[in-house]
Amino acid sequence: EVQLVESGGGLIQPGGSLRLSCAASGFTVSSNYMNWVRQSPGKGLEWVSVIYSGGSTSYADSVKGRFTISRDNSMNTLYLQMNSLRAEDTAVYYCARDLGGYDYWGQGTLVTVSS
Amino acid sequence: EIVLTQSPDFQSVTPKEKVTITCRASQSIGSSLHWYQQKPDQSPKLLIKYASQSFSGVPSRFSGSGSGTDFTLTINSLEAEDAATYYCHQTSSLPYTFGQGTKLEIK
Repeated sequence: EVQLVESGGGLIQPGGSLRLSCAASGFTVSSNYMNWVRQSPGKGLEWVSVIYSGGSTSYADSVKGRFTISRDNSMNTLYLQMNSLRAEDTAVYYCARDLGGYDYWGQGTLVTVSS
Repeated sequence: EIVLTQSPDFQSVTPKEKVTITCRASQSIGSSLHWYQQKPDQSPKLLIKYASQSFSGVPSRFSGSGSGTDFTLTINSLEAEDAATYYCHQTSSLPYTFGQGTKLEIK
């Protein structure tokens, strides 16, 4: 059974750093395109980043230079390193597998950036 | 950046009604358009991929059509459980983008 479980969210002060994890089971992360998508409270979905099976990455302009997507093949886990966090980064962060549309999503992890 | 504009933003509908949600792209995206359903406090769920391909396990009352810049999600014979927000999403070109969402309320 395919499953994605995010962790690592929490309350962090502006300017701080946080690393989100997305543990996968039932498939191999490195063989798939994997994405992070976020949703601010009461708002719509916003694409954040992708890592392709070949290892190349891409980011939304709003996070470029501050966030880094990566994966650990041995742990079958996707990561999102978030630095220089801002209030506007407050959101639920989802990881999602892209198999032609995002067919599996995690349950999400809440990141709150506030002093 | 490709902008996806959904209409309507909100719709109140009665059970068994037919519902049509549209998504217009700011430039041609071929068929790289997907539809999701999100209920409160849940993760989004894939309904339709590549404009018209139903995802496994999705009820047959959900269907999609379109290509290029104009796309449609149709829900035939709406059921109470279909109350949710629906999003379109393009993966034609980076950055990938989502529509603003259409909230369906069941009367």
